This record gives sequence, structure tokens and C-alpha cells, in this order.
Amino acid sequence: DVKVTQSSRYLVKRTGEKVFLECVQDMDHENMFWYRQDPGLGLRLIYFSYDVKMKEKGDIPEGYSVSREKKERFSLILESASTNQTSMYLCASSPHGGGVGTQYFGPGTRLLVL
Amino acid sequence: EDKVVQSPLSLVVHEGDTVTLNCSYEVTNFRSLLWYKQEKKAPTFLFMLTSSGIEKKSGRLSSILDKKELFSILNITATQTGDSAVYLCAVGLYNAGNMLTFGGGTRLMVKP
Repeated sequence: DVKVTQSSRYLVKRTGEKVFLECVQDMDHENMFWYRQDPGLGLRLIYFSYDVKMKEKGDIPEGYSVSREKKERFSLILESASTNQTSMYLCASSPHGGGVGTQYFGPGTRLLVL
Repeated sequence: EDKVVQSPLSLVVHEGDTVTLNCSYEVTNFRSLLWYKQEKKAPTFLFMLTSSGIEKKSGRLSSILDKKELFSILNITATQTGDSAVYLCAVGLYNAGNMLTFGGGTRLMVKP
């Protein structure tokens, strides 16, 4: 079974703090994704990566950056957290080309920025 | 701009009822349409549809895609309380990374 893990289930941070959200997958997938999920808005793509050190902006990249130094790990960074970044963050991975878009999700990190 | 719209936003039914969830899309480079079920945490994959008119079934759940009218439906028959969840529709595109564009979801509550 594919396993996607995220470093924290719940996180509370203060405005202006630097926040790191880590995601690790154990299936050697090329593609990894970061989404945020807000009520009524569904999942919105922040960034994705299709290879080590490669990254592409999604729909809402402002205020975020990412890092993919190893194939299995994809990090989301909030350089200076703001209250409007309070949200549920979901990481996903998928094989390159094989799944025609099927993504496997981690359990999510619920971030509260005070 | 790519768009995926789900309706209704939320739905409350009683056990045993049949429900139909809708997903319409306007995207460039359509490749596939996927349905996910999300209970308390991670979305779990239900179906992937790539061709029109071919129904996919899994137990009481079924789904079909209409690529001409650009929509899909997810049917759940004889609903149970365990079907209570948010159902997400997503469209896969032909581009690098197998990117998905998600709809806003339909929240289904099944009452005993």
C-alpha cells in the first residue's frame, strides 16, 4: 500500500513565524503535491513537483515556497505565517504517467496561525 | 481558467435513500475525472473515468462520465450512515505532474 505521511497532524503557530510542513512518501513516486483545503473551496493546489529539485506553481502559490531535495520528501514552507494561512494542508503523491491522475493523499496537517 | 463545479453543496438524506452527486467541468487538456471520498482526514480514491458512457461500479456506488456535456455523476444507492462524508470530484489534465483540479466538494450526511 502507498503510504504518504505528514510530519504533524495539528500545528499552532504565531503570525510571522516560519513554518515547515513535511511530507514523505514511500512508493518512489515522481510527482508530489501540496494542497490547502478550506470549507466550500475544495482542494486548491499550492505547488507541485514532478522530479527532484523541480517545482511548479499551482493555483495559489503566494506566501508559500517548497523544497524537494530527495525524491521521497516534499516540504512546504510558509516564510512568514499569516492568519489567512490557517487551513488544512494536504500532501499527495502519484506515479509519473501511470495513474492517469490518481493521487494518494496524506492524513493532512491542520494549521492554526494566531 | 480551469473550473470544476460540484452540486449540491450539501445534502441530508435518510438511510436507504438513493443520492446523485453532480460534477461539471470546464478545463483544457481533459484527461480523466476522479471521485474521492473524504471522511475525517485524507481523501480516498473511488473512481477514475476517462471514457464517456461507461459506468464504473463498486458495490452501491456507481459513476458515469459525459464528455460531450462535460459532467459526471456519482450515484449511491441504499445509503448507509457510513456513507456520510465529503465527496470530491477532480479533473486530471494532460500536463507535467498529473495535476488535478478539484471541485468544492459535496457534503453528504446520512441520518439513521
